[in-house]
Amino acid sequence: QVQLQESGPGLVKPSQTLSLTCSVSGGSIRSAGHYWTWIRQHPEKGLEWIGCIYDRGNTLYNPSLKSRVTISADTSRSQFSLKLTSVTAADTAVYYCVRDRREQLAIGGFYYYGMDVWGQGTTVIVSS
Amino acid sequence: EIVMTQSPATLSVSPGERATLSCRASQSVSSNLAWYHQKPGQAPRLLIYGASTRATDIPASFSGSGSGTEFTLTISSLQSEDFGVYYCHQYNKWPRTFGQGTKVEIK
Repeated sequence: QVQLQESGPGLVKPSQTLSLTCSVSGGSIRSAGHYWTWIRQHPEKGLEWIGCIYDRGNTLYNPSLKSRVTISADTSRSQFSLKLTSVTAADTAVYYCVRDRREQLAIGGFYYYGMDVWGQGTTVIVSS
Repeated sequence: EIVMTQSPATLSVSPGERATLSCRASQSVSSNLAWYHQKPGQAPRLLIYGASTRATDIPASFSGSGSGTEFTLTISSLQSEDFGVYYCHQYNKWPRTFGQGTKVEIK
């Protein structure tokens, strides 16, 4: 069974770079089709999709964060990572790594199954 | 981006009662709609995808319906573990977007 675990600093200073890693166990991030995703949740707020990496390193980002976000993957370590530059207090949130599952069909295309595996989340506070 | 609007913001329900949650999309998302449940201090859990398909291990008391811009999540008989916040989520277009959530609380 696939499990995800976030890791990284819980406190980041304003203007610095937030860096988080998601370790994937019980499966491979080479699995064709899945979107390996980062989502965040501001205190007492809803969910915000940050971006994802899929296939051979393709990435998609939320336009609201695109200029500051980089998502990368290390398939040899079965990890994917998030970097968010020039952080402010508005980036204080719980950050989740997520498997956004889709499976390739024999007839071509993909079937989508939803965000079915979530990490437990890691709280990042931006403060001096 | 597609804006997802959920109603009501809060729903007070007695255990054993039925709960009906709504989600509206600012443009058609076809059936590319999922529902998630989040308890305090926990990550969200996938309930429904494809607007009406229950995810693995989700009981039949949960059902989803709708297509286009109007969707409904129904919980036929609320159990204590069903309280918390429910989010709808569209995956028809990038960026993925979520509703603001409906909090289901004990009446």
